[in-house]
Amino acid sequence: EKVMTQSPATLSVSPGERATLSCRASQSISNNLAWYQQKPGQAPRLLIYGASTRAPGVPARFSGSGSGTEFTLTISSLQSEDFGVYYCQRYGSWPLTFGGGTKVEIK
Amino acid sequence: EVQLVESGGGLVQPGGSLRLSCTASGFTSSGHWMTWVRQAPGKGLEWVANINQIGGETHYVDSVKGRFTISRDNAKNSVFLQMNNLGVEDTAVYYCCRNGYTFDYWGQGTLVTVSS
Repeated sequence: EKVMTQSPATLSVSPGERATLSCRASQSISNNLAWYQQKPGQAPRLLIYGASTRAPGVPARFSGSGSGTEFTLTISSLQSEDFGVYYCQRYGSWPLTFGGGTKVEIK
Repeated sequence: EVQLVESGGGLVQPGGSLRLSCTASGFTSSGHWMTWVRQAPGKGLEWVANINQIGGETHYVDSVKGRFTISRDNAKNSVFLQMNNLGVEDTAVYYCCRNGYTFDYWGQGTLVTVSS
C-alpha cells in the first residue's frame, strides 16, 4: 500500500505570511496527487489535482508542485479564511489513500 | 448547482447493518464515478469505496471488503452503501463524493455511530 505522509502536523502562520505544506509518498505516484482543505464542521474542498492544477474557483494564492514522491502545497499569502486542515490524496490505483493532514492555525 | 445529499446514518449496535443513500442533483450522476469517503471523529479522511458509471466496476478499502457493498440507481440519480456486520471502528461521518479519483463535490455527510 502506498502510504502518504504529511508534515508538519501543525503549522502556525500569521495572516499574510507564506505557508508551505509537504506530502510524501512511500512509492512514486507520478503526478497523481490532490490537495483538499477542510474547515471545522464542513466537508472537504478540492483545491489541487494533478499535483499542480487548481480546481475551478480556487484562488491563485494556492499552488501545488512536485512529482514522484515529494509534493508541496504553498499558500503564498495566508488569508483568515485559509485556516483549517489540509489533506493530500494519492490516486491512479486502488486503494486511494489520504495523508494524515496538516492543521494550519493562526500564529 | 451540484448537490449531494446523504441520508441513512444513525446509531446501530455492533454486528448490525445500515444502508446509506446519496442523492445527486444539478448534474447527471450516470456520467460520473461516485465514491464514499469516511472520517472517524477527530480523525482524518479514509476512502471507503467507489463505483463506475454503470455499476459494473467497484473498489473497496480492505477493511470493509466483504461487509460493505456500493451500488447505484442511475434512474434515481442515487448511490448507496450497504454496510453489514458493523464494528465500532466503522463509526464515522460518511461522505458521498463525485468522481472516482479526485473528488470535486462532496455532500455534507451522514453520521454512523456503532455502539452498544
